[in-house]
Amino acid sequence: EVQLVESGGGLVQPGGSLRLSCAASGFTFSSYELNWVRQAPGKGLEWVSYISSSGSTIYYADSVKGRFTISRDNAKNSLYLQMNSLRAEDTSVYYCAREESLYGSGSYHKVFDYWGQGTLVTVSS
Amino acid sequence: EIVLTQSPGTLSLSPGERATLSCRASQIVSSNSLAWYHQRPGQAPRLLIYGASSRATGIPDRFSGSGSGTDFTLTISRLEPEDFAVYYCQQYGSSPYTFGQGTKLEIK
Repeated sequence: EVQLVESGGGLVQPGGSLRLSCAASGFTFSSYELNWVRQAPGKGLEWVSYISSSGSTIYYADSVKGRFTISRDNAKNSLYLQMNSLRAEDTSVYYCAREESLYGSGSYHKVFDYWGQGTLVTVSS
Repeated sequence: EIVLTQSPGTLSLSPGERATLSCRASQIVSSNSLAWYHQRPGQAPRLLIYGASSRATGIPDRFSGSGSGTDFTLTISRLEPEDFAVYYCQQYGSSPYTFGQGTKLEIK
């Protein structure tokens, strides 16, 4: 069974730092691309960051570029998000999501097929 | 970036009724790279539809997706109690990936 379990959330002051982790099991972790997606309280979903299976390709949303760093350790089946210079608007539940290539409608589609349960980050003084 | 606008914001229906949810993109979504997810309170999103019309594994056939270009629709043919949730569309054809703001499907 595929499982993604996030941890590391909590209360942090503006300007502070936090490191989120996502522990994976039930699949060959090193073969999959992964993402972080966040959801502010009562709001919609916002994609945050992507990392390729080897870690060689990384993308960020403009809202976090220069402040957040995504990384992975394939030997430990773990995904990370280092968050620095945190702002009140970063307050959200952070989800890790596996990206899978699924065939349909005549082509392959890269979608988020499994998500963790999320970890809450609250930025407040 | 591609902005996705979902309508209506809230849809009030009864179990057994048909639901039609709309997702409109600000630009053409390449290769029909459009997915639908639903999210129950306190839970993570779950993939329903990808490629605009392909059902994900384990998704019942009462869920169907259609559309192309900039206009997409999710239809639930006969609502079951577990279908009342928030529904999001997502485009993954252009970077950055973007989501719609959501449609809340509530029990009337």
